[in-house]
Amino acid sequence: DTGVSQDPRHKITKRGQNVTFRCDPISEHNRLYWYRQTLGQGPEFLTYFQNEAQLEKSRLLSDRFSAERPKGSFSTLEIQRTEQGDSAMYLCASSPTAGNTIYFGEGSWLTVV
Amino acid sequence: GNSVTQMEGPVTLSEEAFLTINCTYTATGYPSLFWYVQYPGEGLQLLLKATKADDKGSNKGFEATYRKETTSFHLEKGSVQVSDSAVYFCALSDRRYGGSQGNLIFGKGTKLSVKP
Repeated sequence: DTGVSQDPRHKITKRGQNVTFRCDPISEHNRLYWYRQTLGQGPEFLTYFQNEAQLEKSRLLSDRFSAERPKGSFSTLEIQRTEQGDSAMYLCASSPTAGNTIYFGEGSWLTVV
Repeated sequence: GNSVTQMEGPVTLSEEAFLTINCTYTATGYPSLFWYVQYPGEGLQLLLKATKADDKGSNKGFEATYRKETTSFHLEKGSVQVSDSAVYFCALSDRRYGGSQGNLIFGKGTKLSVKP
């Protein structure tokens, strides 16, 4: 296994632009999670998938945030009309099933200027 | 609601010193408890976990015991090394998601610096 892979690792964008982050989980991991981590805080859970089904959306921070996992493999997290408050690290994690340890990627840093 | 409170950092220790990072939690029911570590430039890694009261999790010389009576899960290591310098996060499983170990509530993290 190559681990959870996230792309891009760093993104600087202007306020109002849309950004998309991609996560490739460990092969054959059914569960995929997105978290956000702001400076000086612990990660905050956003959403998760079981295969292609999104099981929780209500924790996404606003309707500007959306996530997909169309074929049950990689996932994307999109932020529309970015705001300065969206500046954070976006973490992806995966696990084989619900009861297993999750494995985090290295995160995607977003800076909104 | 469920929450995790960790001691404020940063913590600076000399090599071979004893480490304690305090963690207390508020939760309904009996969550699983975790310590994650984030080394500079790397992703979060699970350090240890405990899934029921009185369980002791241990890994790489670190230990933590799930204390239901004090709602605590303090992290300890008898002799720290420079390579232990990292940010440590205490976390609990969010009971709203059943037994999932992926739906976690994290503390704010404690930065540990170990000097030679």
